Amino acid sequence: EVHLVESGGGLVQPGRSLRLSCTASGFTFNDYAMHWVRQAPGKGLEWVAGINWNSGSIGYADSVKGRFTISRDNVQNSLYLQMNSLRAEDTAFYYCAKDMGFLEWLVPDYWGQGTLVTVSS
Amino acid sequence: IVLTQSPATLSLSPGERATLSCRASQNINDYLAWYQQKPGQAPRLLIFDASNRATGIPARFSGSGSGTDFTLTISSLEPEDFAVYYCQQRLNWFTFGGGTKVDI
Repeated sequence: EVHLVESGGGLVQPGRSLRLSCTASGFTFNDYAMHWVRQAPGKGLEWVAGINWNSGSIGYADSVKGRFTISRDNVQNSLYLQMNSLRAEDTAFYYCAKDMGFLEWLVPDYWGQGTLVTVSS
Repeated sequence: IVLTQSPATLSLSPGERATLSCRASQNINDYLAWYQQKPGQAPRLLIFDASNRATGIPARFSGSGSGTDFTLTISSLEPEDFAVYYCQQRLNWFTFGGGTKVDI
């Protein structure tokens, strides 16, 4: 069974940094792309970033480009999101999601339960 | 690529047919997915590439369309289908629509 567990969320001041982690199990992690998707409380979904199976293809939403960095460790079965220069509008639940494509991009199919990031002074 | 979903809210009764729309700002071929989200839960993939049901999704859910206009149809609403539905494109990275809430 696919299991994704996010961690690292919390309260952070504007302009500071935070690093999110996602630990994966139940599938061959290094065969699939991974995503971060966020959802502000009471709002819709926003794709944040994605990384393919070997880190050779990485993409970001315009809203976070230059501030956030996605990375993965295929030995540790872990996905990361380094978030710098945080803003109030980055406040959201951050979901880690597995892509359904085998060695290719398709769409997220399995999702974690999310971790809440609150940016406030 | 901007995805516009309509209506924002759809008020229906169990047993009725639900028709949800998603319009893309440019041609996205059939690179469209649909997700269901219930309060306090992570999204669940329903449909990928416009018309392919994901694993374990009941046959009452169907997707259609290509290019810029797409539809998610729930043929007969079950009580557990009342939720928010999002479309997502994968032609140019990924973006989501604003969602349609299906309520009783």
